[in-house]
Amino acid sequence: EVQLVESGGGLVQPGGSLRLSCAASGFTFSSYSMNWVRQAPGKGLEWVSYIGSSGDRTIYYADSSRGRFTISRDNARDSLYLQMNSLGAEDTAVYYCAKGQGYCSGGRCYNWFDSWGQGTLVTVSS
Amino acid sequence: IVMTQSPATLSVSPGERATLSCRASQSVSSNLAWYQRKPGQAPRLLIYGASTRATGIPARFSGSGSGTEFTLTISSLQSEDFAVYYCQQYNNWPPYTFGQGTKLEIK
Repeated sequence: EVQLVESGGGLVQPGGSLRLSCAASGFTFSSYSMNWVRQAPGKGLEWVSYIGSSGDRTIYYADSSRGRFTISRDNARDSLYLQMNSLGAEDTAVYYCAKGQGYCSGGRCYNWFDSWGQGTLVTVSS
Repeated sequence: IVMTQSPATLSVSPGERATLSCRASQSVSSNLAWYQRKPGQAPRLLIYGASTRATGIPARFSGSGSGTEFTLTISSLQSEDFAVYYCQQYNNWPPYTFGQGTKLEIK
């Protein structure tokens, strides 16, 4: 059974930093792309960042996180990370890690998110 | 690509059919997924490829559409189906984009 368990959330002051972790089990972690998705209070789901599988270490960020957030993975530890710097109130949200699944065609890949963790709450407030 | 879901809230009685809509601002082919979100739980994949049910999803859930217009139909609502539903396009990315959600509530 696929399991994704996030940790590292908490209360942080504006301008501060946090490092989120996602521990994966139940699948060959290195073979799959991974993502961070967040949900602010009362809002919908917002994709934050993507990292490719070990065969493709492509990284992408949403405009809202580029330059402040860094996604990384440690395939030896079956873990995904999100380093978040210069946090603001707008970053307050539950952060989910999500496993990518999909196909490639014509040189492009198309991935949906087939497993999600329970999320970790990040609150940015003074 | 902007994903727009309608209605924002849908009130339906148990046992009845629910039809949720999702519109893309430009064609996403059939690269569309639907997710269910219950309070305190992880989002759950229901449908991918616009119409393929994910593993373990009951047959009462069905998806249809392509291009810019998509529909999620729940044929006979069960109590556990009352939740928020999101569509997501994965055709033109980054970024992946989600609709704002449809809350399905008990009438």
